[in-house]
Amino acid sequence: GNSVTQMEGPVTLSEEAFLTINCTYTATGYPSLFWYVQYPGEGLQLLLKATKADDKGSNKGFEATYRKETTSFHLEKGSVQVSDSAVYFCAPPCGGYNKLIFGAGTRLAVHP
Amino acid sequence: ETGVTQTPRHLVMGMTNKKSLKCEQHLGHNAMYWYKQSAKKPLELMFVYSLEERVENNSVPSRFSPECPNSSHLFLHLHTLQPEDSALYLCASSQEWGTGSYEQYFGPGTRLTVT
Repeated sequence: GNSVTQMEGPVTLSEEAFLTINCTYTATGYPSLFWYVQYPGEGLQLLLKATKADDKGSNKGFEATYRKETTSFHLEKGSVQVSDSAVYFCAPPCGGYNKLIFGAGTRLAVHP
Repeated sequence: ETGVTQTPRHLVMGMTNKKSLKCEQHLGHNAMYWYKQSAKKPLELMFVYSLEERVENNSVPSRFSPECPNSSHLFLHLHTLQPEDSALYLCASSQEWGTGSYEQYFGPGTRLTVT
């Protein structure tokens, strides 16, 4: 079945550092891929998505490219801010009814 | 604001109590989901509803009873819970077909504590 592997956290960075959170997945076909973010005390929010191979999703300075050759969807940001401190989830689809499979989440802590 | 609301945001209940969690989506979606999020564990999908019909129950104990009276509302009825049921319960919705946009939208969650 479908699966996702996400790098373990926590990731601790200084403000303005470069961020990469790795995500690889196994899935049938070439589904849409998603990154979600969960800020403290809140639910999950869709951060970005890519709907086909080689597509790049972007939002709030974050980017992720759908690489079908490596089945990866790594999240990147060139300059993180303290406000980016949150837990990030990579989520490929898993079966019908738009079900998603979530990685364990990567906690990011950004210090001034 | 994601268009999915959940009430209450926090709930403390004893093991013998009966309570209900409510979820409402204002997005016109036709699928809804209940998730359980426990500390240090992956997000667990509990139930899936499609067009008000339950299409998936992931081996959830019967002390959790979902209800979907219409496509905009989803409830999770709780009774005789155990302390290990303490968690954040998240509701989500999505549009299964038509728009080509299949992501899920989540509510803020209900933080449940069972004493």
